[in-house]
This record gives sequence, structure tokens and C-alpha cells, in this order.
Amino acid sequence: DAKTTQPPSMDCAEGRAANLPCNHSTISGNEYVYWYRQIHSQGPQYIIHGLKNNETNEMASLIITEDRKSSTLILPHATLRDTAVYYCIALNPNTGNQFYFGTGTSLTVIP
Amino acid sequence: EAQVTQNPRYLITVTGKKLTVTCSQNMNHEYMSWYRQDPGLGLRQIYYSMNVEVTDKGDVPEGYKVSRKEKRNFPLILESPSPNQTSLYFCASSLSYGSYEQYFGPGTRLTVT
Repeated sequence: DAKTTQPPSMDCAEGRAANLPCNHSTISGNEYVYWYRQIHSQGPQYIIHGLKNNETNEMASLIITEDRKSSTLILPHATLRDTAVYYCIALNPNTGNQFYFGTGTSLTVIP
Repeated sequence: EAQVTQNPRYLITVTGKKLTVTCSQNMNHEYMSWYRQDPGLGLRQIYYSMNVEVTDKGDVPEGYKVSRKEKRNFPLILESPSPNQTSLYFCASSLSYGSYEQYFGPGTRLTVT
């Protein structure tokens, strides 16, 4: 599975869009990009995933570059409850490999 | 309510005293797994199970055992706990391996003295 690289920490003002980058330059054609988040020692929570196309759900948007070497998770209107560690994972779900969560990006939403 | 439950939530024990952390899911999921989380190291997978009676090692299986005798339960067993197993443990389940959404339990904070 492709290795992902995320900044260790970011800040965002409440009400503004939070843009969390992820680099996965070695991603292969069958690997999806998944995003999870973990709020203060709770169990991680699924946010969104995608392969090639941009995706949007009620929680966030996922923008994947055309070459698929990087992606951005967008929280359109960040709230204090979005303060969490965000994990970007690249994985081919058909290989038998497991999710590798890494250390993620610690997002702090500032009032 | 669909959920993954873990017990106990907190446990302080002594070196060498066998313990079991239970994990149960009520979603009829095929896939279950255990993770440990330590500061600066992120979440690391201990063991996983594709289905009943099928288990395999994750990244950090040393010192742990698991069993999957029923679909809903996946206990984590520490036969002889040591202080380096002090950690926050999470159980997770998903519909099948490769399902994009894993459901995590609330965590078990274990301290071994």
C-alpha cells in the first residue's frame, strides 16, 4: 500500500473551511484514499473515501488531484467539535492488506 | 443501536496476571480487528479476523492472543501482561474485509504495573 504523508498539525478558525492535505505520491491505480478522524481518545470515525473522482458527503469533501498523487479533505465550515486527529490512508481493499493509520494531522479549530 | 462494545473500559493490573478484554459487535460483521494506540506511534494493528475461526497477525502481535469462535465476539487475551503493553486498545469491525467503513469501539485503557 502507498505510504501517505500528512502535516503533523494544523489550525483553523471556527466557521472557516479546513483543508487537510495528504500526499500519496506512490499510490497505485487500485488504491483508494480513505479519511478517518479521532476525537480525543475516542475510537476513530470514518469520514469519506474515493478512488479518482472528487467525493462529497454530509461530513466533508474529498478532492483528489488528477494524477492521484495527493488529496485534500475539506471540512467546509469547521466547528470546535471538528478538533481531532485526521488520518489519510491509501489502500487497495482487494489485496488483503490492512488499514495503516499512522499518526495523522492534529487539527485544532480555534474560536 | 449498531455498536461495538468493549469491556472493561479501564483496567489496572500487575505484570504477569492474565487478562481478557472483550469485544462484541451487533452488526453481523464478518471482519474484526484489534489496535493499540501509543503516543507518537498512532494506531497499530495487533490481530484481525476475516471471519469465524479465521485470524491473522497484524503489525504488533507479540504478547497477545485472540480467538473468534462466534461472529459477534473477538476477545483480546494477554496471557502474561508486561508494562510495555500499557496502552489504549480499540476493537473495530466492518461488514467484510475491504469495507471502507470500520466501526470502532470506545477503547480500553490498560495499565500494567
